[in-house]
Parts: sequence; structure tokens; C-alpha cells
Amino acid sequence: AQSVTQLDSQVPVFEEAPVELRCNYSSSVSVYLFWYVQYPNQGLQLLLKYLSGSTLVKGINGFEAEFNKSQTSFHLRKPSVHISDTAEYFCAGNYGQNFVFGPGTRLSVLP
Amino acid sequence: DTAVSQTPKYLVTQMGNDKSIKCEQNLGHDTMYWYKQDSKKFLKIMFSYNNKELIINETVPNRFSPKSPDKAHLNLHINSLELGDSAVYFCASSLGQGWTTGELFFGEGSRLTVL
Repeated sequence: AQSVTQLDSQVPVFEEAPVELRCNYSSSVSVYLFWYVQYPNQGLQLLLKYLSGSTLVKGINGFEAEFNKSQTSFHLRKPSVHISDTAEYFCAGNYGQNFVFGPGTRLSVLP
Repeated sequence: DTAVSQTPKYLVTQMGNDKSIKCEQNLGHDTMYWYKQDSKKFLKIMFSYNNKELIINETVPNRFSPKSPDKAHLNLHINSLELGDSAVYFCASSLGQGWTTGELFFGEGSRLTVL
């Protein structure tokens, strides 16, 4: 079955510290991968996406993610977080007709 | 200009009532979606329309009926509301049927509370 997992439901981190949010996907012949961010009381907005090509993808707000086919992972990273990065982060996979979201990771940046 | 707009943003109603949520996109996309986000933030696809035709219809009670009068609009009507329908409903759109660029553009959500 096509699925996306995010093992960490909550990640607290201090301001200016690095952070990694983990995402694993079920393997498929072809899958596109995405990270979305949801700020409180807002819709989801795209952070970055991997379609093909370079496995290191850079997105908005200083985030980046690395596609790792052998480990079926697409972890999101930021070298130094800000208070304003506090939000819910969703990893998602596009398996053709089926767009599957992970359960989300709540990133809390502490002062 | 809001790309994907939903109305109303908040909706509080009694069990058994019928309600509708409207969605409009001005991106020129031809595929639109309804997602339900529960209290644990889990997102689940409900419906998808491509050029006014239903292409995804997940296991959703038939009290939920989507309607797409044109490719820029996708409305959601819910009959006989139940407590478990309380959630945030998101409308989204994409260019093509999602597996071309794969990117979904989301509205701000409609928070439905059933009392």
C-alpha cells in the first residue's frame, strides 16, 4: 500500500538550533515527494518538492530535503530555526492518482 | 488575489442540519480536491474533480456530495450533519491531475463544528 510515515509527532527545538524532520515513504516505481507547512489556522503551503534530478532539494525559508532512494526517506532539515518556524509540517507523496500525506510533525521552536 | 478561496471560514451548526462549503480557484487549474483534516491534524482525501468530472471518490458517507459547476469551482454539500463531521475541510487545486507537477495549492480551510 502507498503510505508516507513521519515517525516524530512532535519536535521541540531551541531557537537557532538545527532541526531534522523525518519522513519515509513506501517504495514505488515512480513517486514525487513534497514537504508542506501549515501555520496555525492556515492552509498548507509548499516548502519544497522532489520530482527528479538532484537528490538535494532546496525550498523556501531556508529549508532543504534530501531524497534517499535506498532508505526510502525524504528528511527535511534546517540549519538554524526561528520562532516563526513553529508550525505543523507534512510530508506527502504523489503516487500518480494518489496523493498521500503523512500524519504531520509539530515543530515547536523555543526561545 | 487569493488563489484558492473557501467560504465560510467557520461554520457552527446543529446535528441533523444540512450545510455547504464553497471553493473557488483563480489559478486556471483543472483539478480540484476536498480534504478533511481531523483534530489530530491527519489529512484525508475525500474527492477530486478534473474538468468537472469526479475522478477520486474515497470511502466517504453519501451524506457528502461534491458539486463542480465548472472547473474553477468545487462545492461540498453535507446532509444530516453528525458530531463526527466536525473537522477542518480544505479545498485544493492542481494543474493537471496531480501527477504532473504534483503540487497542490490549498485554501485556508473551513472549520466545521457540529453541536
